[in-house]
Amino acid sequence: QLQLQESGPGLVKPSETLSLTCTVSGGSIGSSNYYWAWIRQPPGKGLEWIGNIYYSGSTFHNPSLKSRGTMSVDTSKNQFSLNLSSVTAADTAVYYCARLDFGYGSAQIDCWGQGTLVTVSS
Amino acid sequence: DVVMTQSPLSLPVTPGEPASISCRSSQSLLNSNGYTYLNWYLQKPGQSPHLLIYLGSNRASGVPDRFSGSGSGTDFTLKISRVEAEDVGVYCCMQTLQTPYTFGQGTKLEIK
Repeated sequence: QLQLQESGPGLVKPSETLSLTCTVSGGSIGSSNYYWAWIRQPPGKGLEWIGNIYYSGSTFHNPSLKSRGTMSVDTSKNQFSLNLSSVTAADTAVYYCARLDFGYGSAQIDCWGQGTLVTVSS
Repeated sequence: DVVMTQSPLSLPVTPGEPASISCRSSQSLLNSNGYTYLNWYLQKPGQSPHLLIYLGSNRASGVPDRFSGSGSGTDFTLKISRVEAEDVGVYCCMQTLQTPYTFGQGTKLEIK
């Protein structure tokens, strides 16, 4: 059974870099039909797509983040990561990692991590 | 970006009664391959979202058949034929046709 688990600091100071890692178990991050994604949800608000990465390293970043986000993948550890620089209070949110199935006849997130709350505060 | 608009935002329902949620997109979600890239998720209190419906009308594995998705182009509907207490939570539509993928604001279903 596929499981995703986010890890990283729960508190980040303004102007610093938020760093999160997602560990994938029960499946390979190197599977060809999947993208690996980061999604966030500010308190009391809706979901926002941060970006996604393929096992080859190709990425998409949401332009709304104004080039502050970088993602990487480590297939040897079955992990992918997110760095978000120059954070402000507006980046306070629950951050989810997820798998996006893009095989034939598919185009959906089919597995989510449990989410991790990251608070930006001094 | 494709804007997803849901209604209503709050939905009180009596158990055993039907419920319906609308989702409209700012542009057609029909892909050239014939599939419609619209999905529905339920986020139960304190949990991460889970998939209910994918590609507009396909129930995900393990989803009860009281849930159904319909629609085309820019107008979509999630229906629950008979609401049960376990169905409470926030229902959200999501488009995966065009990056950045975008979500509706969410509809909070509560039991009367």
